[in-house]
Parts: sequence; C-alpha cells; structure tokens
Amino acid sequence: DIQMTQSPSSLSASVGDRVTITCRPSQIISRYLNWYQQKPGTAPKLLIYAASTLQSGVPSRFSGSGSGTEFTLTISSLQPEDFATYYCQQTYNTPITFGQGTRLEIK
Amino acid sequence: QAQLVESGGGLVKSGGSLRLSCAASGFAFSDYYMSWIRQAPGMGLEWISYISGTGSIIHSADSVKGRFTISRDNAQNSLYLQMNSVRVEDTATYYCASFNYGGGSDAFEIWGQGTMVSVSS
Repeated sequence: DIQMTQSPSSLSASVGDRVTITCRPSQIISRYLNWYQQKPGTAPKLLIYAASTLQSGVPSRFSGSGSGTEFTLTISSLQPEDFATYYCQQTYNTPITFGQGTRLEIK
Repeated sequence: QAQLVESGGGLVKSGGSLRLSCAASGFAFSDYYMSWIRQAPGMGLEWISYISGTGSIIHSADSVKGRFTISRDNAQNSLYLQMNSVRVEDTATYYCASFNYGGGSDAFEIWGQGTMVSVSS
C-alpha cells in the first residue's frame, strides 16, 4: 500500500498569510495526487486534481504542484473560509489512500 | 446540479448487517465509477471500495473485504453498500462519491453529505 504522509499535521496562521502543506507518498505516483478540503460536519470537497489542476469553482488562491514523491498545496492569501482540514489522496493504484490530514487553524 | 444523497445509516449491533444507499441525480450516473469512503469520529478519511460504471470492476480495502459488498443499479441511479458482520471499528460516517476514473480527473468529484453508522458491542 502507498502511505501518504502530510506535513504539518496542524498549522496556525492568520488571514492574509501564505501557507504550504506538503504530501509525500511512499512511492512514485506520477501526478495521481488530489487535494480535498473538509470543514467540520461537512463532506470533503475536491480542490485540486492531477497534482496541479484546479477543480471548477475553486478560488485561484489555491494551487498545487509536484510530482513523483513530493507534492504541495499552497494557499496564497488565507481567507476566513479557508480554515479547515486538508487531505491529500493518491489514485495511482489500489488501495486508494489518503494522507492523515492537516488541520489549518486561525492564529 | 449534480447531487448524491446517502441513506440507511443507524445503530447496529456487532455482527449485524446494514445496507447503505446512495441516490444520484444531475449527472450521467452510469458513466462514472462510484466509491464509498468512511470517516471514524475525529479521524481521517478511509477509502472502502469502488465500482466501475457497468459494475464489472470492483476493488475493496482489505479492512472490509469479505464483509462489505459494493453494488449499483444504473436504472435507479443508485449505489449500495451491503455491510455484513459489522464490527465496533466500523463506526463512522460513510460517504459515497463519484470517481472520475481514467482519462478524467481520477478524483472523487462529487460527495454525498454522509450517513452515520454506529456499531455497538
């Protein structure tokens, strides 16, 4: 199984900050890497697929990059609605696996 | 507008059975792979199973293999998860999601709101 390691596990930041979350798969997954945002009590929402493609309707302050075994999600200027938990996911092979999540909190 | 609505969750005793349903609307259901994902209270996301558009391809996580069965009825635009021999550790919110597999995003694009399953000992 491909293990997905996110860092940091939690992060405190302020509105307007630039933040980066890293995801490292345990083996090469090409660009089969997706990012999701989840707010408390709601379902996850797809933000970015194929490492860097923004899902329709997602604000352009979100961006993704990377390939192989290191990927990043960047939020260029945090907005109040961005405080949530973020998960990376690989769909390179089965079993599909998620990172453990990064909780983004207000400083 | 594309939508998924899960139902069928509830309280069940260890060793019992439960069938979850997921009703799809607003998109070409039969063209999409579909998946079940679960989230234990306060924990992260765990993929459980997916099924191809025709139902001919199924993959499941080892944690549920032999106990849970995914299926679909394209005429009814519905996805199902038959849960047998449930365990306390199966307690979670269960989500269905569309999986745009092979040539699309290869991601879970549309998610339902989730249905809670609680397993008591």
